[in-house]
Amino acid sequence: AQTVTQSQPEMSVQEAETVTLSCTYDTSESDYYLFWYKQPPSRQMILVIRQEAYKQQNATENRFSVNFQKAAKSFSLKISDSQLGDAAMYFCAYRSTQSGNKLVFGAGTILRVKS
Amino acid sequence: NAGVTQTPKFQVLKTGQSMTLQCAQDMNHNSMYWYRQDPGMGLRLIYYSASEGTTDKGEVPNGYNVSRLNKREFSLRLESAAPSQTSVYFCASSENSWGTEAFFGQGTRLTVV
Repeated sequence: AQTVTQSQPEMSVQEAETVTLSCTYDTSESDYYLFWYKQPPSRQMILVIRQEAYKQQNATENRFSVNFQKAAKSFSLKISDSQLGDAAMYFCAYRSTQSGNKLVFGAGTILRVKS
Repeated sequence: NAGVTQTPKFQVLKTGQSMTLQCAQDMNHNSMYWYRQDPGMGLRLIYYSASEGTTDKGEVPNGYNVSRLNKREFSLRLESAAPSQTSVYFCASSENSWGTEAFFGQGTRLTVV
């Protein structure tokens, strides 16, 4: 079974600084998708960035980028120039391409941004 | 755009009572999901449905049943609620193209006393 592990329950970053959130996953599949979602206090789930496993180039969306290491099964999220609005819970997620579109999430990391 | 609509938003149940959480999406998505969110445990998959007429167990299916009534609707039923089922429940939907994002409802906060 696919599992997603986020080993940092909570992280803090100073406004305008850079922070990296960690995610590892376990799978025997060769093709899959990985996602980072943001959940602010409103409980709304917002897609931050996505990465397809067979693409070697790391995805980037404005201040958000990933470091995808397929062999190590690692998928970290880097937030540059952190802003107060980045404060939220961040979830790493794995989507199977072979198990009926199963979408599995990690336990989440609470990100606090200090002004 | 309504997106994914969950009802109710809040519910208090007594132990042993039953209830059904409703979910409907208007985006013509094939895949639908039910999750529960508990502090420190993230979003755990209860059941999912890759298409109308099919359902599969997720990580924590015990104590729950689901029905994919049609392409739009995917309901979650608690036959005999237990305090351990106190949680926030989310419904989500997505296209079957694997790279597409999932869209989530606003969540249902369920308390079982």
